[in-house]
Amino acid sequence: QLLESGGGLVQPGGSLRLSCVASGFTFSDYAMGWVRQAPGKGLEWVSAFGGSGGGTYYADSVKGRFTISRDNSKDTLYLQMNSLRADDTAVYYCTKGPWGTGFIWDYWGQGTLVTVSS
Amino acid sequence: EIVLTQSPGTLSLSPGESATLSCRASQTFSGNYLAWYQQKPGQAPRLLIYGASSRAADIPDRFSGSGSGTDFTLTISRLEPEDFAVYYCQQYGSPGTFGQGTKLEI
Repeated sequence: QLLESGGGLVQPGGSLRLSCVASGFTFSDYAMGWVRQAPGKGLEWVSAFGGSGGGTYYADSVKGRFTISRDNSKDTLYLQMNSLRADDTAVYYCTKGPWGTGFIWDYWGQGTLVTVSS
Repeated sequence: EIVLTQSPGTLSLSPGESATLSCRASQTFSGNYLAWYQQKPGQAPRLLIYGASSRAADIPDRFSGSGSGTDFTLTISRLEPEDFAVYYCQQYGSPGTFGQGTKLEI
């Protein structure tokens, strides 16, 4: 199970931190990520963190503004979002990969809505 | 960046019929790292197919994937009412990108 939290309304230029608490699997072994979906639009991969000490990866659209991190002792994935823009408005899904690396997602949370608006 | 183009945008069929959804990549990618997801309204996506043709856990065998290189297909045989949804393809190389989706409607 993946349970996201931290979404909400924020003004342009503001910051938010999303959290995703995982359960039911050995969190540290698997790649984890964030995928977003703007209202009425398709899916956009945002960021990923490899398992077992793997690296971090970002979409060009968020590079330099978003930071992904994980706390394996707490089975929790984070997404720190800074300098938010209106086009960051979306449902953000926490995702789990079937392996320690890669950008494929076999489990998804229910999502948390981030709205960037003044 | 690899761009995935899905067609058609919308597919109208009836239960019991078969659906063929297409996903074309702007360039060849290695390893057939192509996945398909299903998304129903108000729900998170669900992984159906990975490696272009391998079914994910608990996916019925009426879902099948095929293709290689730049052209991939998702086939759904004997459509059930619960199959009507939006389907996305994704290449999961580095990094992963999604197609724009195909809506399968009754």
